[in-house]
Amino acid sequence: KAGVTQTPRYLIKTRGQQVTLSCSPISGHRSVSWYQQTPGQGLQFLFEYFSETQRNKGNFPGRFSGRQFSNSRSEMNVSTLELGDSALYLCASSFDRNQPQHFGDGTRLSIL
Amino acid sequence: GENVEQHPSTLSVQEGDSAVIKCTYSDSASNYFPWYKQELGKGPQLIIDIRSNVGEKKDQRIAVTLNKTAKHFSLHITETQPEDSAVYFCAAPPFGNEKLTFGTGTRLTIIP
Repeated sequence: KAGVTQTPRYLIKTRGQQVTLSCSPISGHRSVSWYQQTPGQGLQFLFEYFSETQRNKGNFPGRFSGRQFSNSRSEMNVSTLELGDSALYLCASSFDRNQPQHFGDGTRLSIL
Repeated sequence: GENVEQHPSTLSVQEGDSAVIKCTYSDSASNYFPWYKQELGKGPQLIIDIRSNVGEKKDQRIAVTLNKTAKHFSLHITETQPEDSAVYFCAAPPFGNEKLTFGTGTRLTIIP
């Protein structure tokens, strides 16, 4: 069974730009969650989607948004990029609530 | 919300010895506790998890124990090997919530 796939693996942007990251969950998984990982703040929850609906949201500004498609694939978007948005963005999928979450290898976003 | 504390932040163990990492959580209603291993350049990999209706779970050299009264859970790795070197994270979701709150991580180094 293929794991969680995130694309691209690496991305370099400049301040003020916007970026879209993609996540393909494990086949059959309906829940997709996004996390931001930085050395200073650790792993922080961004949001979770289930059946194309945002079910949960973390404490991030409105510049961070996401969506889920009917095939459970998900995208997250960050607008008006800031230097502090440099991080590893991780996607995790699970079958449903309170089921094990499995992570992809992330997208490393660097803001210049 | 949920608060998870993890100790120690770094741990060096002689190959063949055991390693123990401990976490405490704040939400007494939490009922699911996963452990993740993250290697350099990779996303977190689920290595073992436990639900609150059991006190211990074992999978080969890895075991997790849970003390609901004290609200803490621990990861035990026996007969450590060089490939066990990685950063380990504990996590807990608030009850009925998909969001994982992570500990700050333990960098485990196995000394050959």
